[in-house]
Amino acid sequence: QKEVEQDPGPLSVPEGAIVSLNCTYSNSAFQYFMWYRQYSRKGPELLMYTYSSGNKEDGRFTAQVDKSSKYISLFIRDSQPSDSATYLCAMTSTNTGNQFYFGTGTSLTVIP
Amino acid sequence: EAGVAQSPRYKIIEKRQSVAFWCNPISGHATLYWYQQILGQGPKLLIQFQNNGVVDDSQLPKDRFSAERLKGVDSTLKIQPAKLEDSAVYLCASSLAPPPYEQYFGPGTRLTVT
Repeated sequence: QKEVEQDPGPLSVPEGAIVSLNCTYSNSAFQYFMWYRQYSRKGPELLMYTYSSGNKEDGRFTAQVDKSSKYISLFIRDSQPSDSATYLCAMTSTNTGNQFYFGTGTSLTVIP
Repeated sequence: EAGVAQSPRYKIIEKRQSVAFWCNPISGHATLYWYQQILGQGPKLLIQFQNNGVVDDSQLPKDRFSAERLKGVDSTLKIQPAKLEDSAVYLCASSLAPPPYEQYFGPGTRLTVT
């Protein structure tokens, strides 16, 4: 079983839609959860960084962590064509050798 | 604040040749990472440095890959000899301190081995 599972998509939505991206994980020791956005032929860009369970909001982006279900989500409100990219989840813990574990990424296209 | 710099951006070589990639992290970032990202997959950690010491190189194919970080700043990753399966994007990232501090990625070097 992979440490982190992420549906690769592709996901295609109309402009203005609410997008939900998800990852599940197997290691209950993970404490820190991240979402990265990666445009084609670019490096990943950190979008959200959360610790433990709960919600964090930043503009149109909301990250949710449910540690009891080992499930994290990224919501994008009022999606824009500029949001078209691959979204990677990542997680780590001080108890897991300090290594970051990445999902495979979900490809999102927002259609104008 | 300048980001993580990498060069070259693209490289095409034949199998069995050697290649080297260079990374300059964000100023003041003590921790530096090299990742391999194969098309359609998430980044896979190859090696992590804390200043100029290696913290984790458990997934680095040491028979052909090597990396160094002189003076705790710039780093180079070398592949010798290259194989077809080494075709990937090589990403460098840095963070202020070891995990769980946020990592910031460079643009990557896209390597094609023919």
